[in-house]
Amino acid sequence: GAVVSQHPSWVICKSGTSVKIECRSLDFQATTMFWYRQFPKQSLMLMATSNEGSKATYEQGVEKDKFLINHASLTLSTLTVTSAHPEDSSFYICSARTVGGYTFGSGTRLTVV
Amino acid sequence: GIQVEQSPPDLILQEGANSTLRCNFSDSVNNLQWFHQNPWGQLINLFYIPSGTKQNGRLSATTVATERYSLLYISSSQTTDSGVYFCALTTGTASKLTFGTGTRLQVTL
Repeated sequence: GAVVSQHPSWVICKSGTSVKIECRSLDFQATTMFWYRQFPKQSLMLMATSNEGSKATYEQGVEKDKFLINHASLTLSTLTVTSAHPEDSSFYICSARTVGGYTFGSGTRLTVV
Repeated sequence: GIQVEQSPPDLILQEGANSTLRCNFSDSVNNLQWFHQNPWGQLINLFYIPSGTKQNGRLSATTVATERYSLLYISSSQTTDSGVYFCALTTGTASKLTFGTGTRLQVTL
């Protein structure tokens, strides 16, 4: 079935630095990729929708200058958390639509210290 | 936007017990899926079920779109069933999934 590979699985970074998270569709082309954030013991909240070759669409309340999304090819979308702060610590997960619904990457646990 | 409420929020079962998880939504849906999020965070697709009934082993799901709810049945629960169960759906022309509030399941020996 359709697989989305997400890296890294976990990352610890210092406050003020930037972190890049990659999501690749391995056996299909993803023209659209969705990025979610999940805080502990909460549900998944959509942050933005990335479209190959065009600007991402951000949900209300999500800072587009802080969470940079790039979708330069049909198989790769990246999320960069810029100038990370402890409140950005969270679980980030990407998703793509496939024939049988939506498939998700394995997620990235970000800790900012 | 659409509201997606799941019940119960928390559930503790003894191994071997059966359970029913419910997902209520406030608008008509195009796509509805049930996911199991394991302790490592991985989301596992259980069912793609915008309507009707499906079964896969010990799990089955039913969506009654006209009454705006979906049910996930777990029979003969096992400790490996522990985790959080989410329903997620799309409405209208939107392609983005909206997640429910989740049910946290713990299966004990």
